[in-house]
Amino acid sequence: GAVVSQHPSRVICKSGTSVKIECRSLDFQATTMFWYRQFPKQSLMLMATSNEGSKATYEQGVEKDKFLINHASLTLSTLTVTSAHPEDSSFYICSARGQGAVSYTQYFGPGTRLTVL
Amino acid sequence: GQQLNQSPQSMFIQEGEDVSMNCTSSSIFNTWLWYKQDPGEGPVLLIALYKAGELTSNGRLTAQFGITRKDSFLNISASIPSDVGIYFCAVAGAGSYQLTFGKGTKLSVIP
Repeated sequence: GAVVSQHPSRVICKSGTSVKIECRSLDFQATTMFWYRQFPKQSLMLMATSNEGSKATYEQGVEKDKFLINHASLTLSTLTVTSAHPEDSSFYICSARGQGAVSYTQYFGPGTRLTVL
Repeated sequence: GQQLNQSPQSMFIQEGEDVSMNCTSSSIFNTWLWYKQDPGEGPVLLIALYKAGELTSNGRLTAQFGITRKDSFLNISASIPSDVGIYFCAVAGAGSYQLTFGKGTKLSVIP
């Protein structure tokens, strides 16, 4: 089946540093990848939609200069949290949609736990 | 933005009991999905519903797409300890690849 991986699974960093999170589709090509953020005991909130080779589309309230998204290939998207602050601590989850897939078919990664000290 | 009302927020049940949870919306959607999330993991798709009135089963799980296209329910029969987790409903609008998630139902199963 379709597998999506994320790296790292957890990261702890100091305030002001930048953190890069990778999302890979391991056995299929993903034309579209999505980035979600989930705070404790809350639901998944879509941050941005990323299409291979084009700029990401950000949801309202998500700062594009703070959360840099790159989708340079059909199997890899990266999310960089720039100048991270404690309020950016959260569980970041990516999902990927395959080529030719019906609209609902998103496969989720295992998530990355970010803690900013 | 779109909002889904999912209930109950949490439930504690005895092993072997049946469980029911539901989601409602003020808007019409063409696709209703149910996911399960284990602690520290990403969501896993359980059931997808595409047609109003559709009733679909996946093992002990049964979900229905409401006839008005504004609601859906998920039933779990004969619950077991590994059913523990958070269950989310999600919707996809017409022609959209984006999903909107409900707030989740946290299920605890007492052995």
